[in-house]
Amino acid sequence: EAGVAQSPRYKIIEKRQSVAFWCNPISGHATLYWYQQILGQGPKLLIQFQNNGVVDDSQLPKDRFSAERLKGVDSTLKIQPAKLEDSAVYLCASSLGLRGDTQYFGPGTRLTVL
Amino acid sequence: QKEVEQNSGPLSVPEGAIASLNCTYSDRGSQSFFWYRQYSGKSPELIMFIYSNGDKEDGRFTAQLNKASQYVSLLIRDSQPSDSATYLCAVTLEAGTALIFGKGTTLSVSS
Repeated sequence: EAGVAQSPRYKIIEKRQSVAFWCNPISGHATLYWYQQILGQGPKLLIQFQNNGVVDDSQLPKDRFSAERLKGVDSTLKIQPAKLEDSAVYLCASSLGLRGDTQYFGPGTRLTVL
Repeated sequence: QKEVEQNSGPLSVPEGAIASLNCTYSDRGSQSFFWYRQYSGKSPELIMFIYSNGDKEDGRFTAQLNKASQYVSLLIRDSQPSDSATYLCAVTLEAGTALIFGKGTTLSVSS
């Protein structure tokens, strides 16, 4: 069974630029999560989708971050404009949803904002 | 603010010893409890989950949950150098909701 796929793996941008990350969850997983992990911290939820609807985006900085999950499969996370404090690893995870809450993580995208 | 607390470590144990990792959580309504292992530069990898009070064993790993004390632990028996990593404790409030993570405990196993 293929795992969660993410791209790119690494990205370096300057502040005020924009960036987008892509995630493809495990086949059949209805729920998709985006987490932000700052160095030395545990992952923190940014947004959760159930199929193509948003379940929780309470911690998403909506003035600069946006996310979508078209057709209930792939998802993109965008930052525009980026700030220095956005430097982190962005992790995508998926789970079966309400029937099972074990989450499986992709390899992550390491973002450096200069 | 729902919190998960872990001692950041590092926790150092010799090869073959038992490593004990601890975690406390603030929300008494937490339903599910997870331990993830994260190697440097890698993403979190699920080790175990536990839902009910008591012990759950899987190979060299044992998770222990005490809901009355709001405490969950992970024991690693016969520790190996390959177990050296950061161990993340996480909880969910309901099935299908997001994980709330602690900051992680760094374990170092010396040969």
